[in-house]
Amino acid sequence: GAVVSQHPSRVICKSGTSVKIECRSLDFQATTMFWYRQFPKQSLMLMATSNEGSKATYEQGVEKDKFLINHASLTLSTLTVTSAHPEDSSFYICSARLGAGSYNEQFFGPGTRLTVL
Amino acid sequence: KNEVEQSPQNLTAQEGEFITINCSYSVGISALHWLQQHPGGGIVSLFMLSSGKKKHGRLIATINIQEKHSSLHITASHPRDSAVYICAVHAGGTSYGKLTFGQGTILTVHP
Repeated sequence: GAVVSQHPSRVICKSGTSVKIECRSLDFQATTMFWYRQFPKQSLMLMATSNEGSKATYEQGVEKDKFLINHASLTLSTLTVTSAHPEDSSFYICSARLGAGSYNEQFFGPGTRLTVL
Repeated sequence: KNEVEQSPQNLTAQEGEFITINCSYSVGISALHWLQQHPGGGIVSLFMLSSGKKKHGRLIATINIQEKHSSLHITASHPRDSAVYICAVHAGGTSYGKLTFGQGTILTVHP
C-alpha cells in the first residue's frame, strides 16, 4: 500500500521556538494532504487541508499564522508550529490523498509527538 | 450530538472471541473509513467502503447506507488486535476529501 512518512517522530522544544514537521508521500503523488491534531484520549481534529502549489485551507479556530503549512511539491507538505507554547503540545498526524476524487483513499503518516516545555 | 457516533467506547474481549464495533452517522456520506490506531499513535486505514461489504483476513466491514450504519467485525480476535478503532466519513457536500471522525473504540483483547 501507499506509504506516508513523517519527520520527526518526536520533538521536544522550549517555549517560543518554532518546530517544522514534514509529511512525505513516499511512493505516490499526493495532490492533497491533510494535517490533524490529536489530544490524549480524543479523536483526530482536522487542522487544515493542503493542496500542492496553493494556500492551505484552515479549519475554523485554527490560527494560520501559528500553524504555517507549505505544500511545495506533490510529495511533501510541511507544518511549522511558530512560537510554540506548552498548549501546542499534541500529536500531529498528516494524511495524503491518493487520487483526485472527493473520497479517494487517504493514507496516514505515523504522527509526530510535540512536547513544548 | 456528534455527526459520527461509535459504540461501544470501550471493549474488552478474550482471545478468539468475535468482535463487533458499530458506527452510526447522521449526515449523507460518499464513503466511510475504518481506521486502526495502535498505542504508538500511527494510523492504518483498514477499509474504505461506500456500499455493501468488504473482507480482509479476519476483518469484515459492512455498511448500510439507508440506515446510516456501519459495522467492523473481527473474527478470532487476538491480543495484537488491541488498538483504537476509528470510524470516519466523507460527508457529501463538504470540502474535498475532508473526513469527520468518530470518537474511537478502545479494544483490548486478553490472551
